Amino acid sequence: EPEVTQTPSHQVTQMGQEVILRCVPISNHLYFYWYRQILGQKVEFLVSFYNNEISEKSEIFDDQFSVERPDGSNFTLKIRSTKLEDSAMYFCASRVTGQLTGETQYFGPGTRLLVL
Amino acid sequence: DQQVKQNSPSLSVQEGRISILNCDYTNSMFDYFLWYKKYPAEGPTFLISISSIKDKNEDGRFTVFLNKSAKHLSLHIVPSQPGDSAVYFCAATRQMQGAQKLVFGQGTRLTINP
Repeated sequence: EPEVTQTPSHQVTQMGQEVILRCVPISNHLYFYWYRQILGQKVEFLVSFYNNEISEKSEIFDDQFSVERPDGSNFTLKIRSTKLEDSAMYFCASRVTGQLTGETQYFGPGTRLLVL
Repeated sequence: DQQVKQNSPSLSVQEGRISILNCDYTNSMFDYFLWYKKYPAEGPTFLISISSIKDKNEDGRFTVFLNKSAKHLSLHIVPSQPGDSAVYFCAATRQMQGAQKLVFGQGTRLTINP
């Protein structure tokens, strides 16, 4: 069964450093997402990406964050200058298309980011 | 932002019995609801969904009920099995909104006791 994959599974970084989290969505999916879950809190939406551009972003997704689909398979989240409060589990998700209603988003296993 | 709420942080059920997980929402624009199951160190796994045009959707041992007037949905698992022990998240979205971002509840930790 196709699945969303994410690398790395864990990342430890120093405050102020740049990190890039990588995701390979399911191959025929067209909508891509990043969510995060700070320890003990809800899973929260960061950004959605469709047709090579951001379709929606939350207020969390400020200028320190960016997303890119550098090739036909990878989808990346970059945090330019990490802060302590960026420590969280980051989940990538994808779904097939925006044409039909009720489409399920499928999630990857997550990257645990720890900023020291 | 408490648009989706799961008021029970934990639930313990005996194996073979019914597990009922509850979820409330406040945004009347939500029209599609999903349940995800999550094991530690894994991503959320899709379980079952329901559109607002229905009041029930069933898939094997899992049934989701939607009460739109009460803005309430529930997930029934019957019979409960030890492998069902996990955190269950309710999520809601607006289907024709384009991005269809999911808004999650806080999760309910379900423990199935043998």
